[in-house]
Amino acid sequence: KNQVEQSPQSLIILEGKNCTLQCNYTVSPFSNLRWYKQDTGRGPVSLTIMTFSENTKSNGRYTATLDADTKQSSLHITASQLSDSASYICVVKHSGGGADGLTFGKGTHLIIQP
Amino acid sequence: DVKVTQSSRYLVKRTGEKVFLECVQDMDHENMFWYRQDPGLGLRLIYFSYDVKMKEKGDIPEGYSVSREKKERFSLILESASTNQTSMYLCASSFHLQGGKTDTQYFGPGTRLTVL
Repeated sequence: KNQVEQSPQSLIILEGKNCTLQCNYTVSPFSNLRWYKQDTGRGPVSLTIMTFSENTKSNGRYTATLDADTKQSSLHITASQLSDSASYICVVKHSGGGADGLTFGKGTHLIIQP
Repeated sequence: DVKVTQSSRYLVKRTGEKVFLECVQDMDHENMFWYRQDPGLGLRLIYFSYDVKMKEKGDIPEGYSVSREKKERFSLILESASTNQTSMYLCASSFHLQGGKTDTQYFGPGTRLTVL
């Protein structure tokens, strides 16, 4: 069964600190992996999308890594800001699936404290 | 910028009422999706559509139907709302994965539906 597990479930860090969120998946065959940021009361917004051949991708202070061999991804946030407080959702697509071939993680709820 | 809009941000309905949730996208995306999001469960796919008048069941279609008469509009219908349909409903759209296009999903702001 295709699954995406995210850890930790929630995280509180001080403003200015770095943090890393984890995503482990069992989706096979793999097509791509996405990270989304969801602010409270809003829809998710795409941060990165990574295919099999990409192992690092950055978007400003956000850096995603992918190890397709161990089926793990991480999202690293550098010099956190209050606006980084949100839920971060990992989504994995399996190849051969249609538009619905997506498996969603339950998300990590990140709180940045001043 | 891609824009996905949903007809209401908040909605309160009574048990048994028929409920329409509308979603409009302005990027000429082929695919459109309806999800519900509940605490501890994440996003779950209700229905999706890959073309006008085409629809496919997702993981939890029971109690819902959809309509896609125009490419830019995808409606979710609760024929007879029940309290267990109280949830956040999110619409999304994307291109088909082809010809250099990514199939990144763009989400609307969500509709928080409460069924009393």
